[in-house]
Amino acid sequence: AQSVAQPEDQVNVAEGNPLTVKCTYSVSGNPYLFWYVQYPNRGLQFLLKYITGDNLVKGSYGFEAEFNKSQTSFHLKKPSALVSDSALYFCAVRDMETGGYQKVTFGTGTKLQVIP
Amino acid sequence: DVKVTQSSRYLVKRTGEKVFLECVQDMDHENMFWYRQDPGLGLRLIYFSYDVKMKEKGDIPEGYSVSREKKERFSLILESASTNQTSMYLCASSLFPSGTSAEQFFGPGTRLTVL
Repeated sequence: AQSVAQPEDQVNVAEGNPLTVKCTYSVSGNPYLFWYVQYPNRGLQFLLKYITGDNLVKGSYGFEAEFNKSQTSFHLKKPSALVSDSALYFCAVRDMETGGYQKVTFGTGTKLQVIP
Repeated sequence: DVKVTQSSRYLVKRTGEKVFLECVQDMDHENMFWYRQDPGLGLRLIYFSYDVKMKEKGDIPEGYSVSREKKERFSLILESASTNQTSMYLCASSLFPSGTSAEQFFGPGTRLTVL
């Protein structure tokens, strides 16, 4: 079984400061990992994904995420937060080692609040 | 750009009514999904489809059914709506999940209220 945990319901950060949104996962094989963002009253938008290769993945809007296999983590980061980054962020995982179609499991979401 | 559209942004129905939520994607994606989103629970998969006329149960299929008669259209049906089905419903699509094209593209959501 696969699972993903986002330990923080909300993260507050001052504008211009670096931000981190945490995500840990559990899979039996190798993971595909994703981050999505949801702005108010909108659907989810894809930010970035880790499939294989470089552990540091760069995505949209200046976001990046670091894959750490030993800690089973995939934290989302940005060097300098903007007020417009305030949104709900979802981490998701898919186990690619099991045969057949594998659904994606989403975390419960972390609300990011960037304070002016 | 991939576009996923949902038939309604807001919907209010009464208990016991049959409810249809429609989703259309314009990128010829094989896979389509229906999720519900509730505060503190994240996204939970209701049903998905990997081909026309094919469907698979997700994590919470009870009280729902789906229909996929054409590749671009995936419908979610609430046979007899109940108040505990009040939620935000999100449709998504993706290419076949192998390789690098594995991310999902989401519609804007339908906020359903059952009175």
